[in-house]
Amino acid sequence: EVQLVQSGAEVKKPGESLRISCKTSGYTFRDYWINWVRQVPGKGLEWVGRIDPTDSWTDNSPSFEGRVTFSIDKSISTAYLHWTSLRASDTALYYCARRLRGGAAPHDDYWGQGTLVTVSS
Amino acid sequence: DIQLTQSPSSLSASVGDVVTITCRASQNIGANLNWYQHKPGKSPRLLIFGAYGLYSGVPSRFSGSGSGAEYTLTISSLQPEDFATYYCQQSFSAPWTFGQGAKVEI
Repeated sequence: EVQLVQSGAEVKKPGESLRISCKTSGYTFRDYWINWVRQVPGKGLEWVGRIDPTDSWTDNSPSFEGRVTFSIDKSISTAYLHWTSLRASDTALYYCARRLRGGAAPHDDYWGQGTLVTVSS
Repeated sequence: DIQLTQSPSSLSASVGDVVTITCRASQNIGANLNWYQHKPGKSPRLLIFGAYGLYSGVPSRFSGSGSGAEYTLTISSLQPEDFATYYCQQSFSAPWTFGQGAKVEI
């Protein structure tokens, strides 16, 4: 069974760093990109960026350039989303999702349950 | 970046209604268009991929159509469990942008 299980909710102060995780199982990790998607409370979905598990190549949406980074640990089939200095505006629900590398009609078929990040002083 | 505009942004409908949601892209995206359903407290759920492909397990009352820069999601007979927000997303070129969402309410 394919599963993407995300780490639990976080409450942080502005300026703090954070790493949230997305642990995958049930499929070949290197065959699928991991996408990250944000939902600010009351707003729509926004694509944050992606990481390729084969070579850790990453691609950010311009809206998030310089704000977040991505990494993976192939040994445990886990992807991470990192912030070095959080802002209140980073408060949101963050989802990970998998997308088949090189597919003819790319789509995100399995999603994590979401990690709520709250940044408040 | 490719911009996606959904219409309507919200609609009220009844069980059994036919519901149509449109997604217009700022350029030709060559059928690289996916539709997701999103309910509060749940993860987004893939409904349609590649503009027309019905994802495994999705009821046949959902269908996708369109080409070029204009696409449509149709729910042929709205069921109680279909009340949700629907998003289109283009996979033509990164950043893989979403539409602003269309909320289907009772």
